[in-house]
Formats: sequence, C-alpha cells, structure tokens
Amino acid sequence: QVQLVESGGGVVQPGRSLTLSCVASGFTFSNYGMQWVRQAPGKGLEGVAVIWHDGGKKYYADSVKGRFTISRDDSENTLYLQMNTLRAEDTAVYYCVRDDGAVVPVFDYWGQGTVVTVSA
Amino acid sequence: DVVMTQSPLSLPVTLGQPASISCRSSQSLVHSDGNTYLDWFQQRPGQSPRRLIYKVSNRVSGVPDRFSGSGSGTDFTMSISRVEAEDVGIYFCMQGTHWPPVTFGQGTKLEIK
Repeated sequence: QVQLVESGGGVVQPGRSLTLSCVASGFTFSNYGMQWVRQAPGKGLEGVAVIWHDGGKKYYADSVKGRFTISRDDSENTLYLQMNTLRAEDTAVYYCVRDDGAVVPVFDYWGQGTVVTVSA
Repeated sequence: DVVMTQSPLSLPVTLGQPASISCRSSQSLVHSDGNTYLDWFQQRPGQSPRRLIYKVSNRVSGVPDRFSGSGSGTDFTMSISRVEAEDVGIYFCMQGTHWPPVTFGQGTKLEIK
C-alpha cells in the first residue's frame, strides 16, 4: 500500500535551516509529481512547493520563494524540502503529498505530517 | 491567486441531521478543458487530510454516499445527508483549475451538537 513517511521536523530558531524528508513506498515514486503542503496552527492548508515527476520543473509559493528548495532522489524514493532562513510564520505541520494528476494536481495520498516550530 | 472562501467556518450539527458547506472562488473554476477542478477534503482530528470529492461532484472510491458535491462556476456546496459521529472534523475545498498554486478554503469545522 502507498505510504509517505515524513521526518526532519523540530524546533529551530529564526534564521536557521532545516531539511525535511519524505520516504515513499508502495508505488513507483519516479512516476509521480510530489508536493509539500503545510498547515499552520489553527489555520488552513497552503501549497508550499511542487516538483514534477522528472524533477524538471519546480514551483514555490511566494511566501517561501528564495528560501525553500524542493528536490527528489528517485533512487532512494525520497522527497526533500530544504528550508533556509526560517521565520516564525513557517511554523506548521508539513505534509508530503503524492500528486496523481496529469492536467491539474490530484492529492490522493498524504503523509502523517512533520511539525516544524520556529521560535527563539 | 484564486481566493477560496468557505462558510460557515463552524458547523454544529445534530447526529442524523443534514449538513452543508459553501465554497466560493474569486474567479470561475472552469478549466480550458471544460472540467471544473474543485475538490473537497476531510481532516479528522489528529489525522491527515483525505480527498472526498473531486471535480465538484465525484466521490472518491470508498467515500460513503451520504457525501455529495454540487455547484458550478464560482459557487460550490458539499452536503452530508445524515451526519454521523465519524464525520467530525475539518472540511476544506481546494481549486486546481488555476494552478500553480492550488488554493484551499479556510476550512469548516464540523462538530456534533
């Protein structure tokens, strides 16, 4: 069965860096686009970063552009999110999401989430 | 970016009674291919979101038929015919027509009265 397991969250000071990982299993990872979606405490959902199945295209929300980098290692079935210059407003649960869409995103599987807290 | 506005944000419902949630978009969600990419997600307490409905009115496999979706253009509704205890959680609408980025509504918290 499809599984997405995130890790790497934690408490970090403003201005510091953190890298999230998402290990995928139960499907051919290289065939799928992947996304990171976050949920700030008590808030709604926000798409943060997208990577196409071949890694050839990437997209970032304006709120993280220039600070976050999405990448993938298909040999390890792993998705990454490198987060630099973290701010208090980056505090959220970060979900790794499989995108099964051909035309538009189809969020069919979500990981359990990893919590990032940015605080002095 | 397309703004998605849900109402109500809090929805107390008696068990066995119907419930409905509205979702409005700041622009039409009709895609150039003729489809309308409006999805609904359910997030139970302590769980990750799961997709319930796609393209306005299509239930994902395994979703009970008490859940339904309707609407067109900029106005959409998700309805539950008879609320059960397991339906407690937060419901989000999401548009994929004008992506990137996808955008979500603020979420509607359904609770049992």
